[in-house]
Amino acid sequence: EVQLVESGEGLVQPGGSLRLSCAASGFTFSRYAMHWVRQAPGKGLEYVSAITSNGGSTYYADSVKGRFTISRDNSKNTLYLQMGSLRPEDMAVYYCARKGQYGEFDYWGQGTLVTVSS
Amino acid sequence: SYELTQPPSVSVSPGQTASITCSGDKLGDKYACWYQQKPGQSPVLVIYQDNKRPSGIPERFSGSNSGNTATLTISGTQAMDEADYYCQAWDISTVVFGGGTKLTVL
Repeated sequence: EVQLVESGEGLVQPGGSLRLSCAASGFTFSRYAMHWVRQAPGKGLEYVSAITSNGGSTYYADSVKGRFTISRDNSKNTLYLQMGSLRPEDMAVYYCARKGQYGEFDYWGQGTLVTVSS
Repeated sequence: SYELTQPPSVSVSPGQTASITCSGDKLGDKYACWYQQKPGQSPVLVIYQDNKRPSGIPERFSGSNSGNTATLTISGTQAMDEADYYCQAWDISTVVFGGGTKLTVL
């Protein structure tokens, strides 16, 4: 059974940093591109970041470029999102998701809440 | 930047057919997919590659994509189908989500 389990939930002050993790199991992690998607309270889904299967290429939404860093450790089957210079508008539930063959996100984690507030 | 537009809300009576549209420039040239999200839960993929259903998704869910519009159709809508629905597609190297549609089963 495919499972994605995020961790790293927390409350951070504006300007602060936080690292999210996503532990994968039930599939060959190193064969899949992985993504982060977020959802602000009461809002829709927003694409955040992506990383290829071998970690060689990354992508960031303009809203987080230069502040967030996506990475992965295929030996640990884990995806990361290092978030810096956090802003109130970054407050959201962050989901990790596996990219399927046709560009869909076929599996999602349960989400982890990031609260940015002083 | 590329945009996908969905109606904010759609209402349907139980047992009837619900249609949720997703509009974008030449969307038919891309693969569209759809997610269902119930309150407090993660999104669930219900349609991918325009019209394919993942394992475990009921047959009442179907999809189409042509021209500038992708459509999610739910036949014989049930109360359990009440949820937010999001369309998604790729534009070059970036993922785009529609704004979401709240489906109410009255």
